[in-house]
Amino acid sequence: LAKTTQPISMDSYEGQEVNITCSHNNIATNDYITWYQQFPSQGPRFIIQGYKTKVTNEVASLFIPADRKSSTLSLPRVSLSDTAVYYCLVGDAPSNDNQGGKLIFGQGTELSVKP
Amino acid sequence: EADIYQTPRYLVIGTGKKITLECSQTMGHDKMYWYQQDPGMELHLIHYSYGVNSTEKGDLSSESTVSRIRTEHFPLTLESARPSHTSQYLCASSEQGAVSDTQYFGPGTRLTVL
Repeated sequence: LAKTTQPISMDSYEGQEVNITCSHNNIATNDYITWYQQFPSQGPRFIIQGYKTKVTNEVASLFIPADRKSSTLSLPRVSLSDTAVYYCLVGDAPSNDNQGGKLIFGQGTELSVKP
Repeated sequence: EADIYQTPRYLVIGTGKKITLECSQTMGHDKMYWYQQDPGMELHLIHYSYGVNSTEKGDLSSESTVSRIRTEHFPLTLESARPSHTSQYLCASSEQGAVSDTQYFGPGTRLTVL
């Protein structure tokens, strides 16, 4: 399973755009890139997922270059409530026998948004 | 919001007691997972299941055991709790055969063993 590397912490101010980059040099052909958000004392929550190029939803955008060895989560105009730990994961897509799907959570990036 | 529940949310118990942490989901997901997370640290997969009667050990060795008798239920048991078991335990589920494996997490159980 591919290992990911991301900054341990980042600081930002309300209203700014935040970009968190994740390295995954050993990503496999079948791996998807997924980002989760976790608030203290809660379980992680899915934010966005992609395979290549760009994905956008109502919460964030995910940019993936052609070589897929890194990805960047972009949070537009953050607010105080975006203060959380953000995890980048790469994981097996299910194989034909549906036995895939294990994910490895790294340390994550602790984002602190200040007023 | 995902429909996955964990009870109890908080548990303080003495050494040597047997405990069971409950996890239930109403989404009909075949895959379920247990993670262990210490404060400020990363999540570690300790058990997972691909469906009824399927259980596998995760990447982190754990003295706990799990069972999967029903699709919606994936309880975790510690036969004899010790202070080293103090941690947060997170349950998750995902859909079998999905194109990509989005996991839905429960709120967690914070276990303290005295």
